[in-house]
Amino acid sequence: EPEVTQTPSHQVTQMGQEVILRCVPISNHLYFYWYRQILGQKVEFLVSFYNNEISEKSEIFDDQFSVERPDGSNFTLKIRSTKLEDSAMYFCASSESPRGGYTFGSGTRLTVV
Amino acid sequence: AQTVTQSQPEMSVQEAETVTLSCTYDTSESDYYLFWYKQPPSRQMILVIRQEAYKQQNATENRFSVNFQKAAKSFSLKISDSQLGDAAMYFCAYRSALPHNNNDMRFGAGTRLTVKP
Repeated sequence: EPEVTQTPSHQVTQMGQEVILRCVPISNHLYFYWYRQILGQKVEFLVSFYNNEISEKSEIFDDQFSVERPDGSNFTLKIRSTKLEDSAMYFCASSESPRGGYTFGSGTRLTVV
Repeated sequence: AQTVTQSQPEMSVQEAETVTLSCTYDTSESDYYLFWYKQPPSRQMILVIRQEAYKQQNATENRFSVNFQKAAKSFSLKISDSQLGDAAMYFCAYRSALPHNNNDMRFGAGTRLTVKP
């Protein structure tokens, strides 16, 4: 069964550093998403991406964050100047259409120290 | 904005018994999708079941079924013959079906299900 692949599975970074979280969506999917889950809390929407541009973003997704689809297969989330409160599980998801369910990746656990 | 509420932070069930997890949502839209996702300790998000709002028939996937009450905006998940592997966090989620761009998915706070042997 097709999968959404996320790398790395766990990243530890120093506060103030930049991190790039990588995702490979399912190949025929056109809609891409990033979600965040702080430990023990709900899954929160960050951003959606379609046709090489952001289509929607939440209030969490400020200037510290950016997304990119650099080569037609990868979908990346960049977090600049990381803060302790950025520590969370970050999930990438993709879908074939703007309706129906997503397929989630297995997540990247980001720990900011 | 649509909101999803799961009023049971934790639930417990005996192995082989049946348990129902509650979910309510708030929306002014008439066309949407509802989902239950399972998150085991591995933290992966696994789709359990989905329901289209325009369908009156409740969705069923093997031991998992839903009770969708559109007028009451209720979407509960029933797990029959509970197994130890069912232990996980369960998230209810809503997604609009209107022709917006992407219609991001909104999640409830989750219910942690424990299965006792």
